[in-house]
Formats: sequence, C-alpha cells, structure tokens
Amino acid sequence: QVQLQESGPGLVKPSETLILTCTVSLGSISNNYWSWIRQSPGKGLEWIGNVYFSGSTNYNPSLKSRVTISLDTSKNQFSLKLRSVTGPDTAVYYCASSHTLLRGAMGSWGQGTLVTVSS
Amino acid sequence: DIQMTQSPSSVSASVGDRVTITCRASQGIGTWLAWYQQKPGKAPDLLIFSASTLQSGVPSRFSGSGSGTQFTLSISSLQPEDFATYYCQQSSSFPNTFGQGTRLEIK
Repeated sequence: QVQLQESGPGLVKPSETLILTCTVSLGSISNNYWSWIRQSPGKGLEWIGNVYFSGSTNYNPSLKSRVTISLDTSKNQFSLKLRSVTGPDTAVYYCASSHTLLRGAMGSWGQGTLVTVSS
Repeated sequence: DIQMTQSPSSVSASVGDRVTITCRASQGIGTWLAWYQQKPGKAPDLLIFSASTLQSGVPSRFSGSGSGTQFTLSISSLQPEDFATYYCQQSSSFPNTFGQGTRLEIK
C-alpha cells in the first residue's frame, strides 16, 4: 500500500499562494488518482481535486479558478497550488490516492498538514 | 454537485450494540460510494468501497449496503475502537462530495 506524506509551509499570508507537495513511497504512480482534500477546523471533508497518472485533472468548481494540481513522476510527487488564499482556506490539507480498482474511494492518505492563513 | 446527506449527525451507543448510519445522495450514484472512519487528529481510513466491498484489513463487523440514492453503514457489535466520526463519499461524478459526518459516541 502506498504511503503519502504532505510537506509545505504551515502559515501563509492572505492573498498569497499556498503550495503543498505530497511524496509517494512504497507504490507506483500508475493506475492511481492523486487527490487533495481539506478539512476546516471542526468541520467536514472537502474534496479539492485530483490528477490522474496520465496527467489529466479534475477540480472542485468552488475552487477551480484558484487551484492547480500537478504530478511529477520523476520525483514520485504531486502538488497543490491554491492562489489568493483567505482565512476560510485555513484547514488541514490531506493528500490521498485512489487506485482505479477502488472506484474512486481513497485507500491511502497522508497524515495531513495544518495550513493557517494569517498575516 | 451531488449532495450527500448523512443521518443521524450523531449517535450514542454502548459497546456491543449494533449501529446503522444512513447516507442519501441527491441523485443516483449507482454503487459509487465509500465509507470512512476518522478519529480525532487523524486522517480518514477507508472502510468500504463500491457501497459494500470491505477494504482489506477492515473487521467484518463493518458492512455496507445500498445503491442508487440510499446507502447504509452497519457496525454489528461495537468495539471501543469504533467510537469515531464516519463519512460517506460519492465518486460517481466530479466533484467528489462527502457527507457531513456522523459522530459515534459512547453512551
């Protein structure tokens, strides 16, 4: 089973760009969707988007204008860029993987990283 | 977007009880449904995919059923480690969406 680890800054200033990276180990990039999900403090889960191993992407329309998810197969990493952040973007951000056999269910998750938007 | 509605929002139960959580989709999603368990400060863990398929390593006291718009997660005999928050997720269409969660508490 793949293992995932998020990395990136824990504090981002309003209007700046949040950049997170997820490193994949013990598994293959192939035949998987690579996703980002976030959870605001005390709230539920929000799907941000994903990238397929082929490079195609899908985004939540509520964030689409500000989000880019990309894959770097040479480094076994995928990344999230969220532009023009504001307070409501404060959340724990998770990366996750979904093998095509799981029909969209996410079988492996990173531990999550808290990102706070504040000046 | 497809809306996922879970009920109840919270439930209190005792060790050994049977508990059922319901998830309703705002439109038909076939069996493109997953269930997750989340404990405080931890990432969600996948329990069930394709509405009724148990993920490897998940105890058999967990079971899922349903198709279309109505789904259930059942826990046949609650164990102390089962007290957590449970989420459903549809993957029938993008954006994938989650239910609001059901908190399972010890009575």
